[in-house]
Amino acid sequence: AQSVSQHNHHVILSEAASLELGCNYSYGGTVNLFWYVQYPGQHLQLLLKYFSGDPLVKGIKGFEAEFIKSKFSFNLRKPSVQWSDTAEYFCAVNLNQAGTALIFGKGTTLSVSS
Amino acid sequence: DAGVIQSPRHEVTEMGQEVTLRCKPISGHNSLFWYRQTMMRGLELLIYFNNNVPIDDSGMPEDRFSAKMPNASFSTLKIQPSEPRDSAVYFCASRNRFNTEAFFGQGTRLTVV
Repeated sequence: AQSVSQHNHHVILSEAASLELGCNYSYGGTVNLFWYVQYPGQHLQLLLKYFSGDPLVKGIKGFEAEFIKSKFSFNLRKPSVQWSDTAEYFCAVNLNQAGTALIFGKGTTLSVSS
Repeated sequence: DAGVIQSPRHEVTEMGQEVTLRCKPISGHNSLFWYRQTMMRGLELLIYFNNNVPIDDSGMPEDRFSAKMPNASFSTLKIQPSEPRDSAVYFCASRNRFNTEAFFGQGTRLTVV
């Protein structure tokens, strides 16, 4: 069955620390990959996405992610987090075919202390 | 475009009552998703539609849950009868035919007492 795994349930960092959140997927086929962010009390918003090309993609607010096909991974990184990055982060995957389901991981809660 | 619009934003109902959640997708989008978010289970896909047709409803937890999409601009998720364990935030999302990112509504926070 298709699945998305996020390894970290809750990450606690101090401001200026570096961040890496893990995401692995289990899919048979070419995939599109996404990271979404959900700030407290808000809806999900897109951080970045990968469809093809350069496996290192840059998103908003200084986030980036690297697609490693051999590892079925799409880890999210940020060199220096800010207090305002406190949120829940979701990795999501769908097959690179029209009209397929968008499946999410369980999410990682990031708490950044100032 | 105003984005994906969900109503109501909050719903409190008594156990056994019927609950109907509504979603208006972004104009021109042809895929619509219903998700349920809880602390225990995270973000679960309940059902999704392509061109108003339900494609996969395997995530619908029980027969008490049903969803419809009578036209391209409207969808409902109904729970009848509702139970306290249905309490969650329900999100609707839509996506265009090019399979790019899905856009989410603000969600409906459902509390069943």
